[in-house]
Amino acid sequence: AQSVTQLGSHVSVSEGALVLLRCNYSSSVPPYLFWYVQYPNQGLQLLLKYTTGATLVKGINGFEAEFKKSETSFHLTKPSAHMSDAAEYFCAASPMIYNQGGKLIFGQGTELSVKP
Amino acid sequence: EAGVTQFPSHSVIEKGQTVTLRCDPISGHDNLYWYRRVMGKEIKFLLHFVKESKQDESGMPNNRFLAERTGGTYSTLKVQPAELEDSGVYFCASSPARQFSGNTIYFGEGSWLTVV
Repeated sequence: AQSVTQLGSHVSVSEGALVLLRCNYSSSVPPYLFWYVQYPNQGLQLLLKYTTGATLVKGINGFEAEFKKSETSFHLTKPSAHMSDAAEYFCAASPMIYNQGGKLIFGQGTELSVKP
Repeated sequence: EAGVTQFPSHSVIEKGQTVTLRCDPISGHDNLYWYRRVMGKEIKFLLHFVKESKQDESGMPNNRFLAERTGGTYSTLKVQPAELEDSGVYFCASSPARQFSGNTIYFGEGSWLTVV
């Protein structure tokens, strides 16, 4: 069965420091991959996604992620953290099966805090 | 354009009572999904509608949960009778008509349910 693992339920960085949130997936066939963010008292918002093509994907708010098939990973990075990045981040996968479109499998979530 | 809207945003009910959650998807989106996050766990898929038809309800936990989407517009999720373990956040999401695994899925802000 497919699964998504996010390493670290809580990550704390200083403002201006590199943000690295880790995500690994388990699947015999590489799925489509997504990162969502949930700011306090808001819904889930798509940061970026990988479907096909370039393995380095750029998203909103300066975030990017790289799909590495050999490592079954899709880590999220941002060169310089801002206070407004404090939120919970979710990695998710969707199987490349037509009739299962939309059935996202989520990781456990990573709470990012940013220290001044 | 309005996003996915959910009502109520918060609900506190006693064990054994009934609660009905409502979701209005983005206008024109044929696909509607329900997800749930119970405390400390990952977000999990409950079911998927295509218009008014249930495409996949493999994630529904038991027969105390009933989802409907009359007329292919808004959807309701009823929990009857509610149990303590049903407490959590219920997310509704929608996506456009073409059923492609890489489609962006748009989430609502969630309905927080507390069963006491």
